[in-house]
Amino acid sequence: QKEVEQDPGPLSVPEGAIVSLNCTYSNSAFQYFMWYRQYSRKGPELLMYTYSSGNKEDGRFTAQVDKSSKYISLFIRDSQPSDSATYLCAMISEAGTALIFGKGTTLSVSS
Amino acid sequence: DTEVTQTPKHLVMGMTNKKSLKCEQHMGHRAMYWYKQKAKKPPELMFVYSYEKLSINESVPSRFSPECPNSSLLNLHLHALQPEDSALYLCASSQDQGKLYGYTFGSGTRLTVV
Repeated sequence: QKEVEQDPGPLSVPEGAIVSLNCTYSNSAFQYFMWYRQYSRKGPELLMYTYSSGNKEDGRFTAQVDKSSKYISLFIRDSQPSDSATYLCAMISEAGTALIFGKGTTLSVSS
Repeated sequence: DTEVTQTPKHLVMGMTNKKSLKCEQHMGHRAMYWYKQKAKKPPELMFVYSYEKLSINESVPSRFSPECPNSSLLNLHLHALQPEDSALYLCASSQDQGKLYGYTFGSGTRLTVV
C-alpha cells in the first residue's frame, strides 16, 4: 500500500460547481497536511496547510483533515476555469525531513 | 513570480555534456530540496539540504550531484545523463523542513536529454 493515495482523475466540472478532492494515507505519524496547485509546466503552488485534524478555510478553498480515518479533503466552492490544474496533496510527520506527495488529481472547470 | 528562482528555465543537453541547474532563495529558509517530476506524476525527492546537512534519496544515480555554496543557493550538477532523465526539475525551500508552512517551489527547469 502506498503511503499516500490520490485518485488522478481527470475530474471535469462546470463553472460554479463545488469540487471535492481527496487523499487517504496509511502512516498515522503524519501530522502536517498540505494542498498544492500545479498548472501545466509550472512548479507547485502551496494553497492550504493544516496541522493535525480539523478544518481550515481560505476564500473559496476549505481543507479538512480527519486523522481518525486517515483522510484529507480540499473543497473548492464556485469553481472557476482558472482553477483548472493538477492538485497535489502532501504530508509529513513530526520526525520527517521531506513532504510525501500524492499522485495529483487533474481538474478541468468548463465555462 | 515565485520567491525561489531557478535557472535556466529550459535546458537541452547531450548525454556527454556537463551542465548545472541553479536555485536561489532569499527568504532565510534553512532547508532546500531538489525534486524530479515526470509528466503526470508527483514530484519525487532527490536531495535535501537542511541546516547544512545533505540527505540523499538512495535511488538517485550518481550522475546527479548537489552542491550548496551557501544557505541561499542550491545547485544540481549533471553529468552523463540518459534520455530517461528528461523531466521537470524543481527546487524548493522551507522554513522548518516543510512542517508548518509547506514548501515554496520554483518554476522548475525543464530538462531534455538528447
